[in-house]
Amino acid sequence: GESVGLHLPTLSVQEGDNSIINCAYSNSASDYFIWYKQESGKGPQFIIDIRSNMDKRQGQRVTVLLNKTVKHLSLQIAATQPGDSAVYFCAEISPASKLTFGTGTRLQVTL
Amino acid sequence: KAGVTQTPRYLIKTRGQQVTLSCSPISGHRSVSWYQQTPGQGLQFLFEYFSETQRNKGNFPGRFSGRQFSNSRSEMNVSTLELGDSALYLCASMVATSSETQYFGPGTRLLVL
Repeated sequence: GESVGLHLPTLSVQEGDNSIINCAYSNSASDYFIWYKQESGKGPQFIIDIRSNMDKRQGQRVTVLLNKTVKHLSLQIAATQPGDSAVYFCAEISPASKLTFGTGTRLQVTL
Repeated sequence: KAGVTQTPRYLIKTRGQQVTLSCSPISGHRSVSWYQQTPGQGLQFLFEYFSETQRNKGNFPGRFSGRQFSNSRSEMNVSTLELGDSALYLCASMVATSSETQYFGPGTRLLVL
């Protein structure tokens, strides 16, 4: 597959452990945030989103936390599985309608 | 419902040539955005089209252009290709507004020799 990012920060976790992926965003006016997962050879896939009037949102095995004070977003994956191995991007959407992606984090799940 | 489709999936061109990439959004989606993804620069926004009009534009030279048709399908064109244009070009669609989720296609891998 294509190289999504040769110099991405990498997080290695053991299968079954919880993963926490962090993201700092830049625009304090951004009011909508999305986490995407990109597997090799595929486009980014929506995982979970959160709006700025919330500080936590849960999905299936995933939780997103938003700290607007420090402009920080995190994605928590419970009981990480080999299929979770991918590059994860956070994205912020500003009121000006532009979607800006973070640099991405590569998650490696070891058996 | 079918997802976002992009054609072609892979393309090899030489410097100086031009290329046209195609994107068909999810049925009912009226907004189409284009992104360039490279190892060095990550995902960068090119432009967004909505109802056949360019609604937003990123910081790319004029060699990069796009258009959208009445059926919401979109094309992007790159003229006078440079080696640095080698990248994965991603198309994303959403229903209408920026406060919605964008859904991505698989991308077109462009290699410029």
